[in-house]
Amino acid sequence: QVQLQQSGPGLVKPSLTLSLTCAISGDSVSSNSAAWNWIRQSPSRGLEWLGRTYYRSKWYNDYAVSVKSRITINPDTSKNQFSLQLNSLTPEDTAVYYCARNKGGSYFGYWGQGTLVTVSS
Amino acid sequence: EIVMTQSPATLSVSPGERATLSCRASQSVSSNLAWYQQKPGQAPKLLIYGASTRATGIPARFSGSGSGTEFTLTISSLQSEDFAIYYCQQYNNWPQYTFGQGTKLEIK
Repeated sequence: QVQLQQSGPGLVKPSLTLSLTCAISGDSVSSNSAAWNWIRQSPSRGLEWLGRTYYRSKWYNDYAVSVKSRITINPDTSKNQFSLQLNSLTPEDTAVYYCARNKGGSYFGYWGQGTLVTVSS
Repeated sequence: EIVMTQSPATLSVSPGERATLSCRASQSVSSNLAWYQQKPGQAPKLLIYGASTRATGIPARFSGSGSGTEFTLTISSLQSEDFAIYYCQQYNNWPQYTFGQGTKLEIK
């Protein structure tokens, strides 16, 4: 059974960087069939896919156009986890952030528990 | 970007009755459509993928139909635990996945 456990701060100041981690159990971040995603949810923007990392003989990343200039998603094979960094934060980045797994560019079968991140001074 | 539009925004139904939720895509997504259920304080839970295939452990009272741009989620006989928010998601245009804005299913 795949489980995703998120960690990271819930309050970040404007203009700074959000950093979240998603620890994986029951699968490998280096899986050749899975992709590891970050999705956020806010009242104003709904559910918004942010980006993903995946391994297919080498590492790849894809990012949403809306955050492409500010986002980095990195795998950590030594800890079997992956991370999200989102910089230049504004209050509009306040949301619940989820990590999630999918396979083959499809639906999200496994989700983390969610982390409410508030951007405020 | 493919825009997913769900209707209605809120649906009031009595327990034991049938609920029908709709999702429309701004362009064809073939059958690459999933439905999720979300309860307060929880992550979305996968119900249906491939427009009509129930995920593991999902009761048979949940069914999905449609292809192209029009999709429906039907809950045949509502149980108390089914009152939640439901989202559709397209994965035809991956990785630019998009979700609908949700339908809140409430007790009448």
